[in-house]
Amino acid sequence: AQSVTQLGSHVSVSEGALVLLRCNYSSSVPPYLFWYVQYPNQGLQLLLKYTSAATLVKGINGFEAEFKKSETSFHLTKPSAHMSDAAEYFCAVSFGTASKLTFGTGTRLQVTL
Amino acid sequence: EPEVTQTPSHQVTQMGQEVILRCVPISNHLYFYWYRQILGQKVEFLVSFYNNEISEKSEIFDDQFSVERPDGSNFTLKIRSTKLEDSAMYFCASSDREEDQPQHFGDGTRLSIL
Repeated sequence: AQSVTQLGSHVSVSEGALVLLRCNYSSSVPPYLFWYVQYPNQGLQLLLKYTSAATLVKGINGFEAEFKKSETSFHLTKPSAHMSDAAEYFCAVSFGTASKLTFGTGTRLQVTL
Repeated sequence: EPEVTQTPSHQVTQMGQEVILRCVPISNHLYFYWYRQILGQKVEFLVSFYNNEISEKSEIFDDQFSVERPDGSNFTLKIRSTKLEDSAMYFCASSDREEDQPQHFGDGTRLSIL
């Protein structure tokens, strides 16, 4: 069975500071990994995906994530936080075409002045 | 950019009533999904649908739930006799046939059972 663990339900950073949101996965086969962002009262928007190509994945809005098989991790980073980055971030895992997404519990990112 | 559209955005229903949530997936997509998110909890998979049949369903998707693709564009989720615990945000998603294509989500329907 596949699962995702997101450490830290709430993360607060200052504007301009590094953003690091943690995600660890459990999977018996090579996974596909995703980060989605949810702004208040909106749906889930894809930030980036890992599908067995490059281990460092760049996404939208300046976010990137690195797949580390040895650590079973897929942490999301952004060098400099912006106020508009405040949202809920979900890590998810699947096994490919038509496979269900299994989500983590989410991390709410707060950005302060 | 094409998007997944869900209607209504908010549905209020009396307990025991039937409700139908509607979705228009991205037009060239072939795989369709429903997920739900109870307030304050994580997003949970309900069901996936391909080639006019259910591909996979979760334990949540019991006999009270059904899905249908009544025409070439709509994808619906029906709850036959709603319960208080069905109150949640329901998300529709769709994806292309290619192996590594991600699922694209709609903005959701907030279902409130009274």
